[in-house]
Parts: sequence; C-alpha cells; structure tokens
Amino acid sequence: RKEVEQDPGPFNVPEGATVAFNCTYSNSASQSFFWYRQDCRKEPKLLMSVYSSGNEDGRFTAQLNRASQYISLLIRDSKLSDSATYLCVVSYSSASKIIFGSGTRLSIRP
Amino acid sequence: DTGVSQNPRHKITKRGQNVTFRCDPISEHNRLYWYRQTLGQGPEFLTYFQNEAQLEKSRLLSDRFSAERPKGSFSTLEIQRTEQGDSAMYLCASSTDRGRIYGYTFGSGTRLTVV
Repeated sequence: RKEVEQDPGPFNVPEGATVAFNCTYSNSASQSFFWYRQDCRKEPKLLMSVYSSGNEDGRFTAQLNRASQYISLLIRDSKLSDSATYLCVVSYSSASKIIFGSGTRLSIRP
Repeated sequence: DTGVSQNPRHKITKRGQNVTFRCDPISEHNRLYWYRQTLGQGPEFLTYFQNEAQLEKSRLLSDRFSAERPKGSFSTLEIQRTEQGDSAMYLCASSTDRGRIYGYTFGSGTRLTVV
C-alpha cells in the first residue's frame, strides 16, 4: 500500500463548478499536510498547508480528518486556470522528508 | 533571484555516461531535498540534507547515485553509469527548519534523458 494515495482522475468539470479531491495517508504519525499544485512540465508549487482545524484561502478549502487519515481539497467556482495536477503531501515530523501522492489531474472546461 | 536554482535544465546523455546536477537552494534555507519524478507519478524522495549532513537516503538511491552538500549551501547529485531507467525529472527543494509549517520550495528541475 502506498504511503499517500490519491485518485489520479482526471476530473473534468465545467468552469464555475465546485470540485473536491481526497487523499488518504497510511502513517498515523503523520504531522504535516500540504496541497501542492503542479502544471504540466513544471515544478510543484505550494498551494496551501492543511491545518487540523481546516483552513480556507479564497476559493480553496482544505480539511484534515486524523481519525480516518485523509485530507481533502475543495475548489469552489473553478476557473480555467485551475487546470493542473494537485499533489497531496504528508510529513511525519519536522525533521522528515515530505512524501507525495501521485497527484490528481484536474481539467476545467469552458 | 531568491528561488531555488537548478542546473542544467535539460540533460541528454548516452547510457553508461556519468552526469552531475547542481542545486542552489534559497540562501537562508538549511534543509535541502532531492526528488525524482517520472511521468504520471508524484515526486519520489531520494535524499535529504540538513546543512552539510546527509541525514536520509532512499532505497531508490542505488550505489550509482551520490549526493553532496559540502558547505551546507549548494548541492550536487551525481549519477554514474546512467541507465535508461534513470530518465526522469530531478527536483531539488529547500526549506527552513519550519518547513513543516511553511512548506518547501522547489526548483524548476533538471530533466534527464538517457539514450
């Protein structure tokens, strides 16, 4: 079983729609959680950290469920520019490497 | 330029040759990570430095791979006797000790093609 698992998609949704991704992690000792965005043939870029209480940044909302060991990302009012691969990232401790999921591809159509 | 810099951007090499990549992290970042990414997959961890100390290496990092960060600043990743399976994007990232709060910054990567 992979340490971090994501639905690879692709998710193909119309502009303006709301879309949500989930990610599950296997290590209950995981401490830090992030969502990264990666455009085609580009490097990953930090989208947002995920806090225990959940957090929101504009149209993006991230949630953490420690009991079920998953994190989620909700994108409201999706834009064409949101088309990308969204990578779920987990870290076990402050001194640890970060572990990536395989990513979920999102395509927004006009 | 305050970002993470990687050189070269692209490298094409013949099988069996040695290649070396360089990463210059953000200057105040003491942690440096190397990842490898193939098409359709997320980045896979290779190795991690805190200052000049290499604290962790993945089992993916075979004996043909070696990484250094001699003065705790830039880092190099060398692949000896390259194989076609080494073709991938090699990504470098850096962070402070608070990376688990503020995240990690990636360079643009070095795309290696072994022919």
